[in-house]
Amino acid sequence: DIQLTQSPSFLSASVGDRVTITCRASQDISSYLAWYQQKPGKAPKLLIYEASFLHSGVPSRFSGSRSGSEFTLTISSLQPEDFATYYCQQISSYPLYAFGQGTKLENK
Amino acid sequence: EMQLVESGGGLVKPGGSLRLSCAASGFTFSDFSGYSMNWVRQAPGKGLEWVATISGNSGYIEYADSMKGRFTISRDNVKNSLYLQMNSLRVEDTAVYYCARDLRQGSSGDYFDPWGQGTLVTVSS
Repeated sequence: DIQLTQSPSFLSASVGDRVTITCRASQDISSYLAWYQQKPGKAPKLLIYEASFLHSGVPSRFSGSRSGSEFTLTISSLQPEDFATYYCQQISSYPLYAFGQGTKLENK
Repeated sequence: EMQLVESGGGLVKPGGSLRLSCAASGFTFSDFSGYSMNWVRQAPGKGLEWVATISGNSGYIEYADSMKGRFTISRDNVKNSLYLQMNSLRVEDTAVYYCARDLRQGSSGDYFDPWGQGTLVTVSS
């Protein structure tokens, strides 16, 4: 099974900071990776798909990139509403989808 | 606007059964039947776990290993509804259960959007 490992698991940052979260796949998943944002008590929301495509309605401060089996979610200038938990998901091994363990982004 | 609303969660004893429903609104019949649908769960304080997927015409169904033989996913395209029948429930099945649509129509393997708000299932004696 393909494993996704996110780092860090916890991240403290301030409004205006540039933030980077990494997701490493245990096998080649091409670019079949998405990023989701989840706030407490709410359902996840799709931010990025196919590693770097911004989903409709998502602010342009969010971006995604891929280098081999390492994927990165970047928030260029952190806003107050961005404090949340972020998950990566791979669809390469469909139908056996897998999510990363999550990265909790907290206000410093 | 397309919306998904789950229902059917609650408290059940270990070994018991529960049927979850997910009603889709803002979809036409052809829209809903053209998308694969999914269940994803999240145990309290934990991460996301994919549960099951069903294709638009119900011709393809898949489950996560820990759910095989106990859970059954189904859909009724006339009613724009998705279901999850859960039997032989265990304490570790306690979670919020979300339904989610595939992002793109007609895909085989896709990202999830939109999601419902979730329904809580608690398995406890």
